[in-house]
Amino acid sequence: GESVGLHLPTLSVQEGDNSIINCAYSNSASDYFIWYKQESGKGPQFIIDIRSNMDKRQGQRVTVLLNKTVKHLSLQIAATQPGDSAVYFCAEINFGNEKLTFGTGTRLTIIP
Amino acid sequence: NAGVTQTPKFQVLKTGQSMTLQCAQDMNHNSMYWYRQDPGMGLRLIYYSASEGTTDKGEVPNGYNVSRLNKREFSLRLESAAPSQTSVYFCASSESTATNYGYTFGSGTRLTVV
Repeated sequence: GESVGLHLPTLSVQEGDNSIINCAYSNSASDYFIWYKQESGKGPQFIIDIRSNMDKRQGQRVTVLLNKTVKHLSLQIAATQPGDSAVYFCAEINFGNEKLTFGTGTRLTIIP
Repeated sequence: NAGVTQTPKFQVLKTGQSMTLQCAQDMNHNSMYWYRQDPGMGLRLIYYSASEGTTDKGEVPNGYNVSRLNKREFSLRLESAAPSQTSVYFCASSESTATNYGYTFGSGTRLTVV
């Protein structure tokens, strides 16, 4: 079946540097992608989304890039801060089945 | 504050016991969901409700039942708990399955079955 996976399970980044978290998806029919941030002991929080007809979307300190040719999604966090330490999940949805499918997550650790 | 509220936050059950996890949202969202999260894995959908009065199975429904009591509330029941159901359970809601796909999650229920 369809799956959403992540290249790296852990990522350590120096405070102030930029970080890039990658995600591969297998369902070429996915219409919409979301990045979530999950801090310890909390539920996932929406960060940024992108529709399949776009290839880039920017938010505050975050940018999502979508490459449909290779079915790859990335989350770029600029000037990382200690508060960025968390597990990041990508998720995809096909408007036909209307349910989010989550990847396994990448743990981002910010080194002071 | 507006959002998704789950109770209880923690629970320990003995094998074979039953319990109901409660979830309520105050955002007037149509759709609600129950996920479980196990170590090293992403969230897996147990059941969902696209609208009041409807429920459907997700990826891992076995051993669970749900009730969409009204638009606000969506409960998850374990009739006979098993150690394999030890997990963190998250409830979520979304505005509509047709337009806005941003899910809002509760803070989770950590369940241990011994």
